[in-house]
Amino acid sequence: EVQVLESGGDLVQPGGSLRLSCVGSGFNFRTFAISWVRQAPGKGLEWVSAISSDGASTYYADSVKGRFTISRDNSINTLYLRMSSLRAEDTAVYYCATVHFWGQGTVVTVSS
Amino acid sequence: DIQMTQSPSSLSASVGDRVTITCRASQGISKYLAWYQQKPGKAPKSLIYAASSLQSGVPSRFSGSGSGTDFALTISSLQPEDFATYYCQQYNTHPLTFGPGTKVDVK
Repeated sequence: EVQVLESGGDLVQPGGSLRLSCVGSGFNFRTFAISWVRQAPGKGLEWVSAISSDGASTYYADSVKGRFTISRDNSINTLYLRMSSLRAEDTAVYYCATVHFWGQGTVVTVSS
Repeated sequence: DIQMTQSPSSLSASVGDRVTITCRASQGISKYLAWYQQKPGKAPKSLIYAASSLQSGVPSRFSGSGSGTDFALTISSLQPEDFATYYCQQYNTHPLTFGPGTKVDVK
């Protein structure tokens, strides 16, 4: 059974940092390009960042470029998103996703 | 960036109805198009990938069609569990982009 489990979401002050993690099981993790997608309260889906299967290529939405860093460790089937200089508008549920399956999400709240 | 539009933005339908949602890309994306279903408070669920390939475990009443710039998701006979919001996404070119969503509710 495919499972994708995100963690690391929290309440953080503006300007703060956070690291999200996503662990995959039940599929060949190292063969998939994976994205982070977020959804602000009451809004639609917004793609945030993606990384190639081997980690050599990374991509970012303009809204997070220079502030967020995506990485992966295929030896432990884990994807990361390092978030810094967080803003109120980064408040959202963050999902780890491929076109085939999604995790259940982790909540990031940026507020003082 | 490739812009994705969906129509309609919302629709009201009854159980048993045939429902079609369209998605248009601002430039050609071949068949790199996925459809997702999202219910309130839940994570999105993958329905269709590569424009017309049904995700494993998804009922056959769901189908996808199209290529290039114009795509459609069809539900052949709407079931009670299908009332939800549907999103399309292009994965041909970074940045990957989503449509704004189509909410299907009860007539």
